[in-house]
Amino acid sequence: EPEVTQTPSHQVTQMGQEVILRCVPISNHLYFYWYRQILGQKVEFLVSFYNNEISEKSEIFDDQFSVERPDGSNFTLKIRSTKLEDSAMYFCATNLRAGWGEQYFGPGTRLTVT
Amino acid sequence: GESVGLHLPTLSVQEGDNSIINCAYSNSASDYFIWYKQESGKGPQFIIDIRSNMDKRQGQRVTVLLNKTVKHLSLQIAATQPGDSAVYFCAESKIQGAQKLVFGQGTRLTINP
Repeated sequence: EPEVTQTPSHQVTQMGQEVILRCVPISNHLYFYWYRQILGQKVEFLVSFYNNEISEKSEIFDDQFSVERPDGSNFTLKIRSTKLEDSAMYFCATNLRAGWGEQYFGPGTRLTVT
Repeated sequence: GESVGLHLPTLSVQEGDNSIINCAYSNSASDYFIWYKQESGKGPQFIIDIRSNMDKRQGQRVTVLLNKTVKHLSLQIAATQPGDSAVYFCAESKIQGAQKLVFGQGTRLTINP
């Protein structure tokens, strides 16, 4: 069964450093998402991406965050200057179509900011 | 604002019993609802979905019920098994647009042998 993959599985970084989280979507999927989950809390939407542009973003997704699909396969989330409160699990999700249907989630990247 | 919440944070059931996990949502504009299962250390896994033009949908051992009048969603798991132990999240969305999912807090389901 096709699956979404994410790298790295765990990233430790110092406050103020830049991090890039990577996702490889399911090959024929067109819609891409990033979510995050602070330990013990609910999953929160960050951003959706379609046709090489952001479709929607949440209040969390401020100027420190950016997404891109540089080579047509990887889908990346960049945090320019990490803060302690950015520590969380970051999940990539992809969907074949918009509107409805299963969003497939990757296994997540655990980001720890020290 | 938008919110999807759950009535109970934890639920313990005996193996073989049926489980019912509840969820309340507040955005009446939402027209698509999904249940996800999350096992420890893994990403959310799709279980079942339902559109707002339906009030019930059945899958394999799972049933989702939607009551739009009281903005309530439930997940029923029949003959609960040890492998069902996980945190269950409901999520709401709108069919129009990019399908941003708004998740609830989650209910931890524990199976007693």
